Amino acid sequence: GNSVTQMEGPVTLSEEAFLTINCTYTATGYPSLFWYVQYPGEGLQLLLKATKADDKGSNKGFEATYRKETTSFHLEKGSVQVSDSAVYFCALDEGIYGQNFVFGPGTRLSVLP
Amino acid sequence: EAQVTQNPRYLITVTGKKLTVTCSQNMNHEYMSWYRQDPGLGLRQIYYSMNVEVTDKGDVPEGYKVSRKEKRNFPLILESPSPNQTSLYFCASSFGGSNTEAFFGQGTRLTVV
Repeated sequence: GNSVTQMEGPVTLSEEAFLTINCTYTATGYPSLFWYVQYPGEGLQLLLKATKADDKGSNKGFEATYRKETTSFHLEKGSVQVSDSAVYFCALDEGIYGQNFVFGPGTRLSVLP
Repeated sequence: EAQVTQNPRYLITVTGKKLTVTCSQNMNHEYMSWYRQDPGLGLRQIYYSMNVEVTDKGDVPEGYKVSRKEKRNFPLILESPSPNQTSLYFCASSFGGSNTEAFFGQGTRLTVV
């Protein structure tokens, strides 16, 4: 079956440091790939997505590129802020008629001032 | 404001006492689903619904029921809760399809003693 693997962390960085959170997936077809972010006490919010190979999703300074050859969708940001502290989930979805996300376990990021 | 509303946010109950967690969305979405979030496992889908009166099992449906009598509401029912259903639950809605954004509620933290 489909699965998503990501580094679980926690990841602790200083403000303005470079961030990479690795995500790899296993899927039978050609899924869409997502990064969701969960701030403390809140539900998940879409951060960015990519729907086909070589697509790059970007939002709020975060980027991720859909790499079919390495089945990866790593999240990067050049300079993190304290406000980026949250849990980040990599997910795939290849639902045809509906939507069934497969989520990774989540990576907790703490950014220190 | 577009939103998914879950109630209650927190619930402590005893084994075997039936409970319902409500979910309502105001975006006219066809697709709704329930997930549970457990440490190290990410989010796993419990049930989903593609439209009114159309529901189906997700990956972990045992011990849960749902109904979809109106488009905006998708309650999660635990007929006889057990301690292994202690978890954080999220309702989500979307227009469906593999590349559309899902909107999540704020979560319901359930403890079964």
